[in-house]
Amino acid sequence: EDQVTQSPEALRLQEGESSSLNCSYTVSGLRGLFWYRQDPGKGPEFLFTLYSAGEEKEKERLKATLTKKESFLHITAPKPEDSATYLCADSRTSSNYKLTFGKGTLLTVNP
Amino acid sequence: NAGVTQTPKFQVLKTGQSMTLQCAQDMNHNSMYWYRQDPGMGLRLIYYSASEGTTDKGEVPNGYNVSRLNKREFSLRLESAAPSQTSVYFCASSEYRHYEQYFGPGTRLTVT
Repeated sequence: EDQVTQSPEALRLQEGESSSLNCSYTVSGLRGLFWYRQDPGKGPEFLFTLYSAGEEKEKERLKATLTKKESFLHITAPKPEDSATYLCADSRTSSNYKLTFGKGTLLTVNP
Repeated sequence: NAGVTQTPKFQVLKTGQSMTLQCAQDMNHNSMYWYRQDPGMGLRLIYYSASEGTTDKGEVPNGYNVSRLNKREFSLRLESAAPSQTSVYFCASSEYRHYEQYFGPGTRLTVT
């Protein structure tokens, strides 16, 4: 079954302590890999789209990368305001381009 | 631009009652979606509309119906609510079906 798997489920960092979140996806027929941020009680907020292995995108302290079987969301020198759940999703030709979401990584950054 | 708006924000229903969740987008997007989000289950697609005039079932369509009223509006109807439909419902839109989706703020529904 095609699925998107995120790890870890939860991550606790100290302010300034860099780390990475992982997203494993089904390789065949990938059309796009998406990263979202979700704050408690709010809808997911779009961050990045990656289309091909080797692609990288950056926004402030976040950098998303894509390999042939995984995507990483690197968080450099995080701040408490980066605390949120980070979701990844893929879009594939086999699913008629619909997004399949992972269950997310809950990131907590302590001051 | 308001983006994607949803009404109501909160709703409590009794088992068997019906209601319609409203969604509108002002980004001139072609595709619109309804998801539910439950603890431990992630976001699951209920129905989607790839373009005005079309609708298709997603992963969990049972107990729901949808209407793509026009290009801007996409409503979700619960004909006879059940406790299993207690969830947070999100509407989303995208320019085309394989592009990034933009989400509304959600409707928190409780069925007692």
